[in-house]
Amino acid sequence: QVQLVQSGAEVKKPGASVKVSCKASGYTFTGLYIHWVRQAPAQGLEWMGWINPYSGGTDFAQKFQGRITMTRDTSISTAYMELSRLISDDTAVYYCARGRDAFDVWGQGTMVTVSS
Amino acid sequence: DIQLTQSPSFLSASVGDRVTITCRASQGISSYLAWYQQKPGKAPNLLIYAASTLQSGVPSRFSGSGSGTEFTLTISSLQPEDSATYYCQHLNSFPYTFGQGTKLEIK
Repeated sequence: QVQLVQSGAEVKKPGASVKVSCKASGYTFTGLYIHWVRQAPAQGLEWMGWINPYSGGTDFAQKFQGRITMTRDTSISTAYMELSRLISDDTAVYYCARGRDAFDVWGQGTMVTVSS
Repeated sequence: DIQLTQSPSFLSASVGDRVTITCRASQGISSYLAWYQQKPGKAPNLLIYAASTLQSGVPSRFSGSGSGTEFTLTISSLQPEDSATYYCQHLNSFPYTFGQGTKLEIK
């Protein structure tokens, strides 16, 4: 079946970087964009950006420009999101999601905790 | 950026009730709107896309309508398992913002 499986929870110190992976299966990985969405504790959903797995092209929400990177490895159908210069407000669950007309398949989420 | 405003933010209703949630966009987005349901500790689940198209596998009691700047999600006969938070999202242009969410409680 179609699924996105994300890497496990992370605990990072302020100023560090985190890299979350999202492995796709059950469909052609290069056929659909992968988006990243985060959700801070008890808060709403925040769209972060997308990667085109076919071309490697990316686009990010303005607030993350300069400290976010999205990459992919088509040989293993995996997308990555790296966020640098972490602060406490980056504590959140990070989701990857497959997008076409909407985000129809989501990963299970990766909890990233930023704490000194 | 396009802003989405949902109303109400909180809703309490009884099993069997008809429930409507509204999502208003700060500018026209044609029909590029989706609705998601999220239960605690889980990823969001797509209910409706293109404003009114029911996602495969979603119960028919869910429906969506609207275009331009005003959209609605309707649950025709509320069930206990519909207790969740509901989000709208536009896909008109980047960034693909979400509404702030509507928490639905079953009385």
